[in-house]
Amino acid sequence: GENVEQHPSTLSVQEGDSAVIKCTYSDSASNYFPWYKQELGKRPQLIIDIRSNVGEKKDQRIAVTLNKTAKHFSLHITETQPEDSAVYFCAASINRGSTLGRLYFGRGTQLTVWP
Amino acid sequence: KAGVTQTPRYLIKTRGQQVTLSCSPISGHRSVSWYQQTPGQGLQFLFEYFSETQRNKGNFPGRFSGRQFSNSRSEMNVSTLELGDSALYLCASSFRSFGAGAQETQYFGPGTRLLVL
Repeated sequence: GENVEQHPSTLSVQEGDSAVIKCTYSDSASNYFPWYKQELGKRPQLIIDIRSNVGEKKDQRIAVTLNKTAKHFSLHITETQPEDSAVYFCAASINRGSTLGRLYFGRGTQLTVWP
Repeated sequence: KAGVTQTPRYLIKTRGQQVTLSCSPISGHRSVSWYQQTPGQGLQFLFEYFSETQRNKGNFPGRFSGRQFSNSRSEMNVSTLELGDSALYLCASSFRSFGAGAQETQYFGPGTRLLVL
């Protein structure tokens, strides 16, 4: 099956700095890559996603890049704010009939933004 | 639209008991996936249901089962509870479509936190 690795496991930045979280995947058939943010005691919430036919996607301060050849994708948060502090999860999904609907998650990155 | 809802939100059980968790997807969503979240193992896929049929299953023992009803609501059941089953159980719904490139966003519910004593 698919294996998703996520780094770093913890990340501390000063308010206003940028944060980058990186993930790699193993199955070249993976074609959908969402990122979720989970605040303490709350549900994972989708913040951005990218499909394999796109190399980059941006939404205000958040961007995701995908390198299919190297099988890695990254989350970039610019101008970080204390409310960005949370655990971020990357995930990958394979569009194969038997596995559609299954997300393979990375282990998460605890992001702390210091004021 | 109302989001994904799960009941109950918290449960305390003892070893050997069984438990049933419920998930109501977003209106119009026909796919429900279940995940187990623990500090040690992270988010692990349990199974996915679509049109009342299990379409996909993760690597969990047979004590974990589920079903989906005609209104897309889903339940999961864990029998003979073990201490290691203590976790946050999350369900996610999506408007599943088919065909090349079909991949729909999954929206998570708030989870059911299960504590097994």
